[in-house]
Amino acid sequence: EPEVTQTPSHQVTQMGQEVILRCVPISNHLYFYWYRQILGQKVEFLVSFYNNEISEKSEIFDDQFSVERPDGSNFTLKIRSTKLEDSAMYFCASSVPSGSVRSYNEQFFGPGTRLTVL
Amino acid sequence: DQQVKQNSPSLSVQEGRISILNCDYTNSMFDYFLWYKKYPAEGPTFLISISSIKDKNEDGRFTVFLNKSAKHLSLHIVPSQPGDSAVYFCAATLGAAGNKLTFGGGTRVLVKP
Repeated sequence: EPEVTQTPSHQVTQMGQEVILRCVPISNHLYFYWYRQILGQKVEFLVSFYNNEISEKSEIFDDQFSVERPDGSNFTLKIRSTKLEDSAMYFCASSVPSGSVRSYNEQFFGPGTRLTVL
Repeated sequence: DQQVKQNSPSLSVQEGRISILNCDYTNSMFDYFLWYKKYPAEGPTFLISISSIKDKNEDGRFTVFLNKSAKHLSLHIVPSQPGDSAVYFCAATLGAAGNKLTFGGGTRVLVKP
């Protein structure tokens, strides 16, 4: 069964450093997302991406964050200058198979990248 | 932001019995609801969903009930199995495909053999 993959599984970085989290969404999906979960808190939406541009972003997704689809398979989240409070699990998700004939709201998540900022 | 709430942080149930998980929402614009299951060190796995035009959806051992007037949904798992032990999240979204999910805080379910 197709699945979303993410690398690395765990990233440790120093405060102020740039990190890039990588995702390979399900191959025929059209929408891509990043969510995060700070330890003990809810899963929070960061950004959605469709047709090579951001379709929605949350207030968390400030100028320090950016997303890119550099090729036909990868979807990346970059944090330019990490802060201690960026430590969290980051989940990539994808949805909506191309050619869907119904409204399609189910999103499929990857296993996550645990980001630790020291 | 408490638009979606799961008031029970944990639930313990005997194997073979029913597990009932509850979820409340405040935003009346939400019209599609989903349940996800999450094991430690894994991402959320989609379980079952329901559109606001329905009040019940069933898939095997899992049934989701929606009460729009009360802005309440519930997930029933019958019969519960030890492999169902996980954290369960409800999520809500608006209309069109591609919209963000708003998650509840999760309920940790422990199914005892």
